[in-house]
Amino acid sequence: AQSVTQLGSHVSVSEGALVLLRCNYSSSVPPYLFWYVQYPNQGLQLLLKYTTGATLVKGINGFEAEFKKSETSFHLTKPSAHMSDAAEYFCAVSNTGFQKLVFGTGTRLLVSP
Amino acid sequence: ETGVTQTPRHLVMGMTNKKSLKCEQHLGHNAMYWYKQSAKKPLELMFVYSLEERVENNSVPSRFSPECPNSSHLFLHLHTLQPEDSALYLCASSQESGTRTNEQFFGPGTRLTVL
Repeated sequence: AQSVTQLGSHVSVSEGALVLLRCNYSSSVPPYLFWYVQYPNQGLQLLLKYTTGATLVKGINGFEAEFKKSETSFHLTKPSAHMSDAAEYFCAVSNTGFQKLVFGTGTRLLVSP
Repeated sequence: ETGVTQTPRHLVMGMTNKKSLKCEQHLGHNAMYWYKQSAKKPLELMFVYSLEERVENNSVPSRFSPECPNSSHLFLHLHTLQPEDSALYLCASSQESGTRTNEQFFGPGTRLTVL
């Protein structure tokens, strides 16, 4: 069975600082990996996804994530945090072409001035 | 309207009530989903419909009854719910085409409170 672990339910950074949100997964086959963002009172929006090919994936709003098979990780980073990045972030895994996503518990990113 | 819309956005109901949640997608997709989002828990996939047929039912209690009358609309009928069913219910849609993995587009959710 697949699973996703997001370390840290809350991460706090200052504006302009590096953002690092951690995600580790387990999967018996090569996974598809996703990061979604949820702003208050909104649904989930896809930030980026890894399916095959290049292990460094760039997404919207300056975010990127690197698939590291040896570490079973897919951490999300952004070089410089902005106040508008404050939201909840979800990592998800799927190993089928049909979208059966397994989500982590989410990490709330807090950005202070 | 664009994307995925959900109504109502907020719903308060008693345990003996019957209510329905509505989802509509304006993206021409062929698959639709219901998820339950509870505090401190991962999103739980409840139901999946592909081409209007239910293809996934993740051991959801029978007090939740989905309906997909066409590829654009998805309903979740609720009856005799329990307080632990209080959560954010998210609808999503995607375009499935064989083995391709396609993005799911989410609606804003319905915040359900069961008294």
